[in-house]
Amino acid sequence: NAGVTQTPKFQVLKTGQSMTLQCAQDMNHEYMSWYRQDPGMGLRLIHYSVGAGITDQGEVPNGYNVSRSTTEDFPLRLLSAAPSQTSVYFCASRHQGSTEAFFGQGTRLTVV
Amino acid sequence: GQQVMQIPQYQHVQEGEDFTTYCNSSTTLSNIQWYKQRPGGHPVFLIQLVKSGEVKKQKRLTFQFGEAKKNSSLHITATQTTDVGTYFCAGAPSNTGKLIFGQGTTLQVKP
Repeated sequence: NAGVTQTPKFQVLKTGQSMTLQCAQDMNHEYMSWYRQDPGMGLRLIHYSVGAGITDQGEVPNGYNVSRSTTEDFPLRLLSAAPSQTSVYFCASRHQGSTEAFFGQGTRLTVV
Repeated sequence: GQQVMQIPQYQHVQEGEDFTTYCNSSTTLSNIQWYKQRPGGHPVFLIQLVKSGEVKKQKRLTFQFGEAKKNSSLHITATQTTDVGTYFCAGAPSNTGKLIFGQGTTLQVKP
């Protein structure tokens, strides 16, 4: 099994550009989440989903959109990138009845 | 909303010394998890604690859940260079899909 797959691994954007970070899992997990990791800030929850068609905001949702049209996929969209969104982004998934989260390898995003 | 605070932020130890990181929640937790992230890697699940006062061990690692279920600790006995990384605690508020992480403690071990 591939587990949780994130693409791309690295990305450089110019301020104002848009892009989508992809996340896919093949474990049939109901719950999926996006986190950003910044030095000294730990992992902060951006958006999460408890199932297809259901999404909700986390701690730092501004500037990001998500959708969950299928169980497998949970893309994160940056509509107009800002330097403050320079970070490492992690996607995670888990079963509804479990608290063990499985993380993707991360996407390192730089906005210049 | 729920906050999970973790201290210290950084810890440098000599190989063979012990290490402890502490996690405190602003609200009672139904359970708490611990994760380890190696440098350049992604967080990996270590363990979950559920019961009040629970203590679990994994070789040199000892995990404790407080009696009030609002705090937890991870203790490493006789650290090794392979213990290097960032350790996170995480709590899941009941009836939500959220998993909230602490800020993490980054451990450096000098050989």
